[in-house]
Parts: sequence; structure tokens; C-alpha cells
Amino acid sequence: AAGVIQSPRHLIKEKRETATLKCYPIPRHDTVYWYQQGPGQDPQFLISFYEKMQSDKGSIPDRFSAQQFSDYHSELNMSSLELGDSALYFCASRPRVTGRNYGYTFGSGTRLTVV
Amino acid sequence: GQNIDQPTEMTATEGAIVQINCTYQTSGFNGLFWYQQHAGEAPTFLSYNVLDGLEEKGRFSSFLSRSKGYSYLLLKELQMKDSASYLCAPLNFGNEKLTFGTGTRLTIIP
Repeated sequence: AAGVIQSPRHLIKEKRETATLKCYPIPRHDTVYWYQQGPGQDPQFLISFYEKMQSDKGSIPDRFSAQQFSDYHSELNMSSLELGDSALYFCASRPRVTGRNYGYTFGSGTRLTVV
Repeated sequence: GQNIDQPTEMTATEGAIVQINCTYQTSGFNGLFWYQQHAGEAPTFLSYNVLDGLEEKGRFSSFLSRSKGYSYLLLKELQMKDSASYLCAPLNFGNEKLTFGTGTRLTIIP
């Protein structure tokens, strides 16, 4: 079965550089969520999209922006990178229907290291 | 907002049973998920409870009491591969956003 695809898997950037993380949801999943997980911490919600529109916003810095495209893939753009941005970035998708099996499916994550 | 409380760490013996508790306070509750996460990997879905009671799925069971804001994950016949973090995540009705607790790091010893 198709899963949530994230790219790249690993990324090393220098301070003040920019980074773009990509997420390809499961086919027919129209909702995408982005989470940031620092070392030893729980995943923190950043932002979500439903049908290409931002649906909710969490603790996302102003230096970050994101969008969802017509094919439902999403990109997280990060500028002026700081050392504290080093973390695992997860994307999750789900279908916008209710039911017992509509949990989030997470991608494998992108490990961003800022040096 | 949502306040989620889980034990930070637990240790259990291979072959035994362990119960991981979670209490939460949330506005607009729409069910609760449990996820398993191995270090450096993505969280993987374990269970979803929206009604009170016990949901059993193989070696894992999850219980929910909505009136008490309480859930637990029960793991039976523990295996070494069960060593992982277990995340309790209430789902908010409306924005349908998952908020994760700090997770319980479970260590299985021989």
C-alpha cells in the first residue's frame, strides 16, 4: 500500500540558509499535517492543510511557510535557518471522512540538521 | 487547549504485561489515538477510541473513559521490540488536529 512520502530523508544546512521539505500524501488523502520533533520531545504541530487551504496553524515560526498544491502534495519552506531548527519534521495525511480508521498516517520524516 | 499527562518512562519485563496511562483535558474531544514511535522513526498507529470501553487488537488493547478524561494502553506478552515511546493523542473536533503528549518511553528488559 502506498504510504506518505517525504523528501529528502536527511538534510544538512548552514545557519541562515533556506530549506524546502516535501510531502506526498497517500492517494485520496486531502488533509496534510506538518509536525516538528526535537530530540527527546513529542511531535509539535506546525500547520495543516485541507483541500489546498490552510486549515490550522500551530507553533510555526514566521520564518517558515507552507502550502499544499493541486496534486495535494505539500511543501514546508524554512528560511533564515537557526541551530534550533534541527529536528525531525514529519508529515502526516488522512482522508477527510469520519470513521474508525481515519487516523493519521505519518511519513518517515526529514531529519534536518542546521550547522 | 489540550493538557495531556503520561508517565515519562516505564520499564517492564519480556513476556509480562504493562499498562500505560494517559489523562487529558481537551475542548471538543473527538476520540483518542495511541501511537508507537521508535527512536528516529515516524509514529505508527496503534489504536483509536471514540467511545468508552476497551478496544482489543492482538497483544495491544486501549481503554477510554470520556467522562474521566482517561485512557490506557495495555500491552501483553511483551517483546523486546516493544521498547519504544508510546504517544497518547486526543483528536480535537473541528480542526481535527492531533496533539501529542510527551510520550512514555517503555523499556523492555529480558
